[in-house]
Amino acid sequence: AQSVTQLGSHVSVSEGALVLLRCNYSSSVPPYLFWYVQYPNQGLQLLLKYTTGATLVKGINGFEAEFKKSETSFHLTKPSAHMSDAAEYFCAVSLTGTASKLTFGTGTRLQVTL
Amino acid sequence: NAGVTQTPKFQVLKTGQSMTLQCAQDMNHEYMSWYRQDPGMGLRLIHYSVGAGITDQGEVPNGYNVSRSTTEDFPLRLLSAAPSQTSVYFCASSYWDRTYEQYFGPGTRLTVT
Repeated sequence: AQSVTQLGSHVSVSEGALVLLRCNYSSSVPPYLFWYVQYPNQGLQLLLKYTTGATLVKGINGFEAEFKKSETSFHLTKPSAHMSDAAEYFCAVSLTGTASKLTFGTGTRLQVTL
Repeated sequence: NAGVTQTPKFQVLKTGQSMTLQCAQDMNHEYMSWYRQDPGMGLRLIHYSVGAGITDQGEVPNGYNVSRSTTEDFPLRLLSAAPSQTSVYFCASSYWDRTYEQYFGPGTRLTVT
């Protein structure tokens, strides 16, 4: 079975500060890992993904994440938060097989303050 | 491309009523899925389809039916709505290989009274 744990349902940072959103997964096979962002009253949009190869993955809007197999983690970071980053962020994992079967974490709501 | 479209955007049902949530995609994706989103629980997979005529259950299938007669459409049916089905429903589609991202529709907010 696979599962995803996102530590912290709410994270608040000041504009310009580092953003760190944590994601740990459990999987018995090599996972494919995704971060999605959801702006208010909208669907989900892909930020970045790890499939194979380079473990440091760069995504849109200045976000990046590093796959650490030894720590079973895939934390999302951004060096400098912007007000427009305020949204809910979801980590998701997919095992081998159908692309449809994503397992999502419970989400982290990011608040950015002045 | 319109991407993934869902109708309606909002719906209020009374307990016991039935309805169909529509989902369509114009990207020729093989895979389509339905998720429900509830506060504090993330998104949970209801049903999915790997192609026309093929569907399977996800994590929370009870109370929902699906069919896939065409590549483009993947409707979700609530046969007898219950208050526990109050949620936001998202449809998603993707190519067959799991390296590809899923594209999500804008969602349907359903309230069952």
